[in-house]
Amino acid sequence: NAGVTQTPKFQVLKTGQSMTLQCAQDMNHEYMSWYRQDPGMGLRLIHYSVGAGITDQGEVPNGYNVSRSTTEDFPLRLLSAAPSQTSVYFCASSWTPNNEQFFGPGTRLTVL
Amino acid sequence: GENVEQHPSTLSVQEGDSAVIKCTYSDSASNYFPWYKQELGKRPQLIIDIRSNVGEKKDQRIAVTLNKTAKHFSLHITETQPEDSAVYFCAASSGTYKYIFGTGTRLKVLA
Repeated sequence: NAGVTQTPKFQVLKTGQSMTLQCAQDMNHEYMSWYRQDPGMGLRLIHYSVGAGITDQGEVPNGYNVSRSTTEDFPLRLLSAAPSQTSVYFCASSWTPNNEQFFGPGTRLTVL
Repeated sequence: GENVEQHPSTLSVQEGDSAVIKCTYSDSASNYFPWYKQELGKRPQLIIDIRSNVGEKKDQRIAVTLNKTAKHFSLHITETQPEDSAVYFCAASSGTYKYIFGTGTRLKVLA
């Protein structure tokens, strides 16, 4: 099993550009989530999904969209990148919100 | 909204000493409390977790305690070793399906 995979590993964007961060898991987990990690601020929840077709906002959803058309995939879209979105992004999955979350390797995003 | 506070933000201990990290949560509906370790440049990984029907859990040198009345839980690492140096995150999960993390503690074990 590959676990949780994310692409790309690194990305540089210009202000105003859009892009999609990909996340996939092969463990048949229902719960998937996106976090951003900034120095001194821990892991902040952006969006989460409890199953295909069901998504909801986390702590810091502004500027991001998600969709969940399949159990396996949970892409994160940046609509119009801003320097404040410079961060490391982690995707995670688990059987339920009350279980261990398995993290992907992360995407380091820089917005100029 | 839900909040998890974590202290201290940095902690230095001598090799062989114990380390304690504390977290406080706000949502009384929280019933799952995991701890993650993140080494430099790596992804977070679960090291131990506890559920609300248990007061303490141990796994070799690591233990977690939970005080539901006070809404706080703690991570205890005994006989620290250099490889314990990392950032540690606590988290709390409630019935709203939100998995909220603390801000992290950078632990340095000095040889």
